[in-house]
Amino acid sequence: KAGVTQTPRYLIKTRGQQVTLSCSPISGHRSVSWYQQTPGQGLQFLFEYFSETQRNKGNFPGRFSGRQFSNSRSEMNVSTLELGDSALYLCASSFAWGNDIQYFGAGTRLSVL
Amino acid sequence: AQSVTQLDSQVPVFEEAPVELRCNYSSSVSVYLFWYVQYPNQGLQLLLKYLSGSTLVKGINGFEAEFNKSQTSFHLRKPSVHISDTAEYFCALVNNNAGNMLTFGGGTRLMVKP
Repeated sequence: KAGVTQTPRYLIKTRGQQVTLSCSPISGHRSVSWYQQTPGQGLQFLFEYFSETQRNKGNFPGRFSGRQFSNSRSEMNVSTLELGDSALYLCASSFAWGNDIQYFGAGTRLSVL
Repeated sequence: AQSVTQLDSQVPVFEEAPVELRCNYSSSVSVYLFWYVQYPNQGLQLLLKYLSGSTLVKGINGFEAEFNKSQTSFHLRKPSVHISDTAEYFCALVNNNAGNMLTFGGGTRLMVKP
């Protein structure tokens, strides 16, 4: 069974641009979560989707948004990029919503210049 | 509010020596606990989990952890480490009423020396 797939693996953008990251969960999984990893702040929760509905949202500005499609694939978007948005963005999928094991993808490394 | 504290940011150890990575948590409600490992340029891989039942949990690669509710701890141990165990280790919890949202500790870098 294929794991969680994130595309692209690497991205370079400039300040003010916007970016869209993609995540394909493990087949059959319906829950997708996103995390930001930086050296300074560590791993922080962004948001969680289940059956196309956002179930939880972390403490991030409105520039960060996401969505989930009917096939459970998810995208996250960051608008008006800032230098501080440079990070590894990790996607995780689970079969169910609530108390379920999450399986992580390899991440997308975003560099904002 | 809930939080996870990993008491050591780096742990150097010689190959074949035992190791313990410490994790303490704080939460006003019941939680489930996890340890994840991250190798360079990779995502997170689940080592082990505590959901309920026996407080001693065995995971992959010879790791185990003990859940101690009175001390709110979930320390990770391995009796004999290998060079290949060099990685970043993260302790995390999920509030059992809040979906799958993981709260992570700051991570512990395990450095195994020959």
